[in-house]
Amino acid sequence: EPEVTQTPSHQVTQMGQEVILRCVPISNHLYFYWYRQILGQKVEFLVSFYNNEISEKSEIFDDQFSVERPDGSNFTLKIRSTKLEDSAMYFCASSEDRVDGYTFGSGTRLTVV
Amino acid sequence: AQRVTQPEKLLSVFKGAPVELKCNYSYSGSPELFWYVQYSRQRLQLLLRHISRESIKGFTADLNKGETSFHLKKPFAQEEDSAMYYCALGSGGYNKLIFGAGTRLAVHP
Repeated sequence: EPEVTQTPSHQVTQMGQEVILRCVPISNHLYFYWYRQILGQKVEFLVSFYNNEISEKSEIFDDQFSVERPDGSNFTLKIRSTKLEDSAMYFCASSEDRVDGYTFGSGTRLTVV
Repeated sequence: AQRVTQPEKLLSVFKGAPVELKCNYSYSGSPELFWYVQYSRQRLQLLLRHISRESIKGFTADLNKGETSFHLKKPFAQEEDSAMYYCALGSGGYNKLIFGAGTRLAVHP
């Protein structure tokens, strides 16, 4: 069964540093998403991406965040200057059709120290 | 406001007992609802979507628009059903998901 792949599985970074979280969505999927889950809290929507542009973003997704699909296979989330409160599990997801459920990746645990 | 409520943080049952995980939603349009499951240390997996009216691993869920509910049910719980269960509401043109807080199901032998 096809999978969404995320790397790294765990990243530790110092406050103020830039991080790039990487995702390889399922190859025939058209819709891409990032979500995050702070420990003990709900899974929260960050951003959706379709046709090479952001289709929707949440209030969390401020100027510190950006997404890119640089080469037709990877889908990245960049946090420019990390804060302690960015520590969370970040999930990438993709979908073939917007009414289908998504396929999620296994997540990247980001720890900002 | 768009919201998903899962009132129980933990549901603890014995093997063979019926299970109902509650989910209520608040949405002004026509809702698209999903159940996701997360087994220990694994990724979120789609379990059910209301539009397909399917049964997966013995679980079913019926959308009740009058009660704005989408409860997940299984007649006889198995130990391997122990996991975190999330109800989610699809919202907007690109179907962002609004998640509930999740219910941890613990099935004891």
